[in-house]
Amino acid sequence: KQEVTQIPAALSVPEGENLVLNCSFTDSAIYNLQWFRQDPGKGLTSLLLIQSSQREQTSGRLNASLDKSSGRSTLYIAASQPGDSATYLCAVLEYGNKLVFGAGTILRVKS
Amino acid sequence: NAGVMQNPRHLVRRRGQEARLRCSPMKGHSHVYWYRQLPEEGLKFMVYLQKENIIDESGMPKERFSAEFPKEGPSILRIQQVVRGDSAAYFCASSPPTDPRGDTQYFGPGTRLTVL
Repeated sequence: KQEVTQIPAALSVPEGENLVLNCSFTDSAIYNLQWFRQDPGKGLTSLLLIQSSQREQTSGRLNASLDKSSGRSTLYIAASQPGDSATYLCAVLEYGNKLVFGAGTILRVKS
Repeated sequence: NAGVMQNPRHLVRRRGQEARLRCSPMKGHSHVYWYRQLPEEGLKFMVYLQKENIIDESGMPKERFSAEFPKEGPSILRIQQVVRGDSAAYFCASSPPTDPRGDTQYFGPGTRLTVL
């Protein structure tokens, strides 16, 4: 059974800091890995999707890497801003098109 | 192109009542997924549907829960005889008819169900 773990559970940093969020998964038989952002009381916004054959994806200040063999992914956020404050969710898409989510990292960027 | 729409956004029910949650996928999307987020927990897969077919309901509780995606109209998640433990945020997602493994699932804003 696939399990996705995210570390840390919560993170508070001053504005401008670069930061790394970690995600690990137990079964490497995945189609892709995605990072989502969830704001309080809102839905999920897809940030980055990495196919199982890819190593990384970049969008603006965000960079996500995938090491499928070791079951790890990292989300790197450069020059953090208060508007980045949210919960960040890692999810893997496995057979049957089911997304399996981690519990999330709650990020607070202080101005 | 409007996003995934869910209604109602908030739903309050008393124990024993029925809850009906609706989801309209993005235009052109024929795959619909339901996920549940219990308080202080991550999102958990419930069911995957295509038009008029349930593809995978392995995450659905065996009793009281059902889902459908008819040929016309929205997808419906139905919870009969609700209990306090059903209080959660229920999210719907959709993806296009092309290979869903290559695309993200697009999420709606969720329905927050409170059972009194």
